[in-house]
Amino acid sequence: DTGVSQDPRHKITKRGQNVTFRCDPISEHNRLYWYRQTLGQGPEFLTYFQNEAQLEKSRLLSDRFSAERPKGSFSTLEIQRTEQGDSAMYLCASSLSSGSGNTIYFGEGSWLTVV
Amino acid sequence: AQSVTQLGSHVSVSEGALVLLRCNYSSSVPPYLFWYVQYPNQGLQLLLKYTSAATLVKGINGFEAEFKKSETSFHLTKPSAHMSDAAEYFCAVSDGYGDYKLSFGAGTTVTVRA
Repeated sequence: DTGVSQDPRHKITKRGQNVTFRCDPISEHNRLYWYRQTLGQGPEFLTYFQNEAQLEKSRLLSDRFSAERPKGSFSTLEIQRTEQGDSAMYLCASSLSSGSGNTIYFGEGSWLTVV
Repeated sequence: AQSVTQLGSHVSVSEGALVLLRCNYSSSVPPYLFWYVQYPNQGLQLLLKYTSAATLVKGINGFEAEFKKSETSFHLTKPSAHMSDAAEYFCAVSDGYGDYKLSFGAGTTVTVRA
């Protein structure tokens, strides 16, 4: 069990540029989540996948955001035409979809700074 | 929909003193409840979880929490604070019936005085 890994850990980009984050979940986990956390706040749910299917998207996920999980393994979160308000930490997490508690395990996060 | 409210955005305790972090939840179905800890510039680490078994839940690093349905609370305690407990703590809820996404509180920052 190597845990949830995210890449890159830090990204500084100019406003208007596109950025992409990658998440590798725990290998046997079929659920994968994306959260966003701004300074001084708790994480906010963005979207989640069960296997390769994207089952729910938050209203926070504007049309500039797109997430994919091809083949039900790793996932990418792309932000197009970044805005300063997109500056946040983007957290990926994974879990099983059955069993008691279904603990969600988080990665270290990817910090985005839009300048 | 589920939600949690964490009472107190900042708690300061002396080393060796009791740590008490308050969390109240709102849920239309029996909840699953979690406490996570976040150290600076890091992700979230699970401290403990309640999943409808024992109401007193013991977690890592000496923390425990008690589920009280009548009070809709899930407060986190540690009898004796250590300097390494300085971090941000988040309470979270999910409905546990197939929709496992978490709804988080705003967090409580703990500082420990020597």
